[in-house]
Amino acid sequence: ELKVEQNPLFLSMQEGKNYTIYCNYSTTSDRLYWYRQDPGKSLESLFVLLSNGAVKQEGRLMASLDTKARLSTLHITAAVHDLSATYFCAVDRGMNRDDKIIFGKGTRLHILP
Amino acid sequence: NAGVMQNPRHLVRRRGQEARLRCSPMKGHSHVYWYRQLPEEGLKFMVYLQKENIIDESGMPKERFSAEFPKEGPSILRIQQVVRGDSAAYFCASSQQGYTEAFFGQGTRLTVV
Repeated sequence: ELKVEQNPLFLSMQEGKNYTIYCNYSTTSDRLYWYRQDPGKSLESLFVLLSNGAVKQEGRLMASLDTKARLSTLHITAAVHDLSATYFCAVDRGMNRDDKIIFGKGTRLHILP
Repeated sequence: NAGVMQNPRHLVRRRGQEARLRCSPMKGHSHVYWYRQLPEEGLKFMVYLQKENIIDESGMPKERFSAEFPKEGPSILRIQQVVRGDSAAYFCASSQQGYTEAFFGQGTRLTVV
């Protein structure tokens, strides 16, 4: 069964600092997603990573995927308060099969001004 | 192109009543996923449907819960004889076959009193 683990689950950091959120998954997959959720809101798609070595960047966020290690990272550069949210990674098992998307438990990020 | 539409946004039911949650996928999307989110927790997969077919319902409780996605009309998640433990936010997401990204609706927040 596909399992997705994120760490840390909670992260409090100061503005201007860098940090990385890790996402490990248990079985072969070549589709990995990162989502952001603000309190009481829906999920916003941030990145879709489709292949080993994929790297995508949007503003202060950069996501990467290592399918051999079954690991994705979400790196935050020079954090700002507006990035405070819960970040989820999610995985399914590939483009050529219909499969459910399994989510990690989320990383609740709180950025202190 | 409207996004994924869920209604109602908020639903209050007394114990023992039925709850019906609706999800209209994005135009052109034929895949629908339902997730449940408890306060302060991640998203738990419930069911994955294509038009007129249930692909994976491994996350659905065996009793009281059912889902459908008819040829015409929205997907429906139905909870019979609701109990307090059913109180949660229920999110629907849709994707296009062969496309790699699932988009989420705003969710339905069910409160059982």
